[in-house]
Amino acid sequence: DTAVSQTPKYLVTQMGNDKSIKCEQNLGHDTMYWYKQDSKKFLKIMFSYNNKELIINETVPNRFSPKSPDKAHLNLHINSLELGDSAVYFCASSQEGTGGGHGYTFGSGTRLTVV
Amino acid sequence: SQQGEEDPQALSIQEGENATMNCSYKTSINNLQWYRQNSGRGLVHLILIRSNEREKHSGRLRVTLDTSKKSSSLLITASRAADTASYFCATDMDSNYQLIWGAGTKLIIKP
Repeated sequence: DTAVSQTPKYLVTQMGNDKSIKCEQNLGHDTMYWYKQDSKKFLKIMFSYNNKELIINETVPNRFSPKSPDKAHLNLHINSLELGDSAVYFCASSQEGTGGGHGYTFGSGTRLTVV
Repeated sequence: SQQGEEDPQALSIQEGENATMNCSYKTSINNLQWYRQNSGRGLVHLILIRSNEREKHSGRLRVTLDTSKKSSSLLITASRAADTASYFCATDMDSNYQLIWGAGTKLIIKP
């Protein structure tokens, strides 16, 4: 069983389109995250939810909107995609806010390419 | 913002040698964590060290923390080809809900 699963793994789309990335965790964790990793491997937090409540909303364009229907799911919707949105997006979860004794569990990533 | 900075940015060693990576950070922390990322994969949690700990071991991994110097090191002993990956440190920066990440050290183990 995959602990944190995100779909799709690859996403190629044209500029201006709207797309969604889904994430689910079966670990019973309370906190979920979306990260963006650029081509230089920098990891940037985008959003964090704790028990369906938004607790971190970093400076990202409002074209990015997270949705957490329950604490096991955190989806990311992106409107009007731009070339600069091309990156790898990672979903992660943790039992405690900063990982506690077991750290974060990451999904395998979604490579988004905007053409 | 980037709190942690790993050093070196890249490291290439022969299989069987030891690999040491360093991480420096800027503000007080509750804990520091190390993660591994294989090419094209997500990050995997390796080890967490709390601010009141100085050293921690897990298999071939040894992590040290020096809060006076605001630095940590990750030692991988008897390296294997499978250790080839990028290694990231992350600190909580006294925050409850956010880890701050370094830029990573790319480790290549040559057979």
